[in-house]
Amino acid sequence: AQSVAQPEDQVNVAEGNPLTVKCTYSVSGNPYLFWYVQYPNRGLQFLLKYITGDNLVKGSYGFEAEFNKSQTSFHLKKPSALVSDSALYFCAVRDRNTGFQKLVFGTGTRLLVSP
Amino acid sequence: EAGVAQSPRYKIIEKRQSVAFWCNPISGHATLYWYQQILGQGPKLLIQFQNNGVVDDSQLPKDRFSAERLKGVDSTLKIQPAKLEDSAVYLCASSLGTESVYGYTFGSGTRLTVV
Repeated sequence: AQSVAQPEDQVNVAEGNPLTVKCTYSVSGNPYLFWYVQYPNRGLQFLLKYITGDNLVKGSYGFEAEFNKSQTSFHLKKPSALVSDSALYFCAVRDRNTGFQKLVFGTGTRLLVSP
Repeated sequence: EAGVAQSPRYKIIEKRQSVAFWCNPISGHATLYWYQQILGQGPKLLIQFQNNGVVDDSQLPKDRFSAERLKGVDSTLKIQPAKLEDSAVYLCASSLGTESVYGYTFGSGTRLTVV
């Protein structure tokens, strides 16, 4: 069964600094990987996904993520953080080799960007 | 396009009472999902529909939870009787199909508090 680990409950960064939110995954086959963001009292919003091809994926709001198969990681990054990026971030994985694949989420990482 | 609609936004009930949530997916989306998000945890899939058929309900507590998707469009999720540990946000999501390349679109969720 697939699983996702987000080792940091919270990441603190100053505005203008680069940010990284870590994610590692486990699947029996090859993964499809996703990042979602959740603002207070809102549903999950899609940020980006890795399906195949280039290991560096660019998504919404200036975020990007790098797929590293050998380290089974899919870390979320942004070169320059904004206060408005403060939110809860979820990494998720699907196993592309199984039918009716469900999306399995990590426990989430709270990003706090200080002015 | 209109998003995934959910109602109500909030619900407070006493334990052992029953409650129902409603979801209207994006038009044309064949696949519908109900997730449970307990505070401090990532969303957990409860049930997945393909049109009006169930394709995964392995994590649905069937002694108290039920869901249906009549006519393959709207869906309702019911809890009867509710327990304190059912307090959570219930998220509905839809996608074009079950293939992994399709992302999910989430609704804003229903926050349930059981007292």
